[in-house]
Amino acid sequence: NAGVMQNPRHLVRRRGQEARLRCSPMKGHSHVYWYRQLPEEGLKFMVYLQKENIIDESGMPKERFSAEFPKEGPSILRIQQVVRGDSAAYFCASSPEGQSKDEQYFGPGTRLTVT
Amino acid sequence: AQTVTQSQPEMSVQEAETVTLSCTYDTSENNYYLFWYKQPPSRQMILVIRQEAYKQQNATENRFSVNFQKAAKSFSLKISDSQLGDTAMYFCAFMKPVNSGGSNYKLTFGKGTLLTVNP
Repeated sequence: NAGVMQNPRHLVRRRGQEARLRCSPMKGHSHVYWYRQLPEEGLKFMVYLQKENIIDESGMPKERFSAEFPKEGPSILRIQQVVRGDSAAYFCASSPEGQSKDEQYFGPGTRLTVT
Repeated sequence: AQTVTQSQPEMSVQEAETVTLSCTYDTSENNYYLFWYKQPPSRQMILVIRQEAYKQQNATENRFSVNFQKAAKSFSLKISDSQLGDTAMYFCAFMKPVNSGGSNYKLTFGKGTLLTVNP
């Protein structure tokens, strides 16, 4: 059973470009979470999605950031018109339905560098 | 809102010795989960141990154990027989249980403790 997969692992964008980060949850997991880790900081919650629904986006910046988890395919975190302050590691986690929903399994992260 | 505080930015320990990492948290909830995650240089987040707040017994996983003091809102991690592979950032995290109302599935992390195990 493959773990949570994220790609790309490293992404370099110039200021003003768009960044697309992908997350494929573990097989059988229908809950996806995105977290951001700034340098020297812990992870901070951004958004929680289930298939085709955004459940909680209280941690998402109001502008330029969006997330989706379509019926088919991976979850996408999209950052438009990136700025230097968006440089960070972005982690995706997934969890299953039922009693184990509280356990989140993390992917390896995508390190975004904005030049 | 919940907060998680790790007061030790860095710690070091000699191989084979025991080290304790501190974590305190603030919440008005009675039921919740606490976690310790490890982030080695590869940056992969690895779950080390979890504790349900309603359980009085401290969780253990091989060389890792916790000292959970609910009244004091303290959740320390003890690593016995430290190994070089234990060198990593360690994050304490808090989560409300899934069957309560509201935003009950977000992990709230501390800022981490960088542990170095010396040969």
